[in-house]
Amino acid sequence: DAMVIQNPRYQVTQFGKPVTLSCSQTLNHNVMYWYQQKSSQAPKLLFHYYDKDFNNEADTPDNFQSRRPNTSFCFLDIRSPGLGDAAMYLCATSRSQGVHEKLFFGSGTQLSVL
Amino acid sequence: TQLLEQSPQFLSIQEGENLTVYCNSSSVFSSLQWYRQEPGEGPVLLVTVVTGGEVKKLKRLTFQFGDARKDSSLHITAAQPGDTGLYLCAGLISNFGNEKLTFGTGTRLTIIP
Repeated sequence: DAMVIQNPRYQVTQFGKPVTLSCSQTLNHNVMYWYQQKSSQAPKLLFHYYDKDFNNEADTPDNFQSRRPNTSFCFLDIRSPGLGDAAMYLCATSRSQGVHEKLFFGSGTQLSVL
Repeated sequence: TQLLEQSPQFLSIQEGENLTVYCNSSSVFSSLQWYRQEPGEGPVLLVTVVTGGEVKKLKRLTFQFGDARKDSSLHITAAQPGDTGLYLCAGLISNFGNEKLTFGTGTRLTIIP
């Protein structure tokens, strides 16, 4: 059974039209992450929540926002998608943070921008 | 930015052959993880190594953490088509309580039956 669930699997949006990607988890983990993975590249961390504490990466564009209304759900909002934002967006969770912590990834949402 | 370079970037070999994938950085990591990612799916953790010089085995896969905790290798013995995928190393750096996992550039492995 999937423990980190991302919806939808595929999302098509128009240039400049806001889009929201969702992630839910059944693991009751404290930490939730959003990664951006472009074709043939490594996942790049956008931001993460440790409980309700939001941690933004310094190079994450302001166009990307996130919400975590409760432990189970986390959303990625792209306010004005550009062509360069087309990518796989991966949500991941971990129980805590530390050298032994394991990240559990969802299957991702493949975003296309027309 | 701590850069993790993986080599080779692409590798295509015949079933039954052995191979080694490398992950190198100039940074020292608290721990290093290896993930495998299949098309259309998220990465799945294979192993975590923590101690310099540590060696871990997972069936036909052998993982080693460098003595200085700056590099790692993944060796696969008698590769099988099921080993095909994108292999990602990821290093953890702890900085004043703020921990960040940085992914390597990836090695795309194809095993030909």
